[in-house]
Amino acid sequence: GIQVEQSPPDLILQEGANSTLRCNFSDSVNNLQWFHQNPWGQLINLFYIPSGTKQNGRLSATTVATERYSLLYISSSQTTDSGVYFCAVERQSGYSTLTFGKGTMLLVSP
Amino acid sequence: DAGVTQSPTHLIKTRGQHVTLRCSPISGHKSVSWYQQVLGQGPQFIFQYYEKEERGRGNFPDRFSARQFPNYSSELNVNALLLGDSALYLCASSLAIEQYFGPGTRLTVT
Repeated sequence: GIQVEQSPPDLILQEGANSTLRCNFSDSVNNLQWFHQNPWGQLINLFYIPSGTKQNGRLSATTVATERYSLLYISSSQTTDSGVYFCAVERQSGYSTLTFGKGTMLLVSP
Repeated sequence: DAGVTQSPTHLIKTRGQHVTLRCSPISGHKSVSWYQQVLGQGPQFIFQYYEKEERGRGNFPDRFSARQFPNYSSELNVNALLLGDSALYLCASSLAIEQYFGPGTRLTVT
């Protein structure tokens, strides 16, 4: 099956700092989503981005499908950004089956 | 609009028992998928249903089963519970490709 690798596994930042999270995947995809999992386990949709660049406030994401990677940028981080960030992909199978990476645990300290 | 809902929120069961988890998709979404997330890992795909038909199954034993009803809600059933089935069970719905997750059911098997 498709492999998804996220880096770094852990990240500690001070409030106000910027960060870049990376997601590498091993095959062509027709879906790539970034999620933020809050402490209660809820997966919050950040971006649906199988290719191209999107921005939403302090967050932006870029996927280079031909090179099989995606980046999530967090600028001016806040303590509420803490949590686990997951990248998930779906192969071009036509079925909605996401394969998740192991996540990046982000801790933003005041 | 209501998001994906799941019930119950938490559940404690004993080894060997049976459990049923429930999911209601976002209104208008016909596809429902189930995922299992154990501590420290990303969610793993269990089942996907579309229009009451099973469209995909992950690498889980036959103790796991699911179904989708005419109103597109879904149930996940797990028989003969093992300690290793303790996890957060997530349901996702989709209209096209992008998936939206519910808050999850946290199952503890003792």
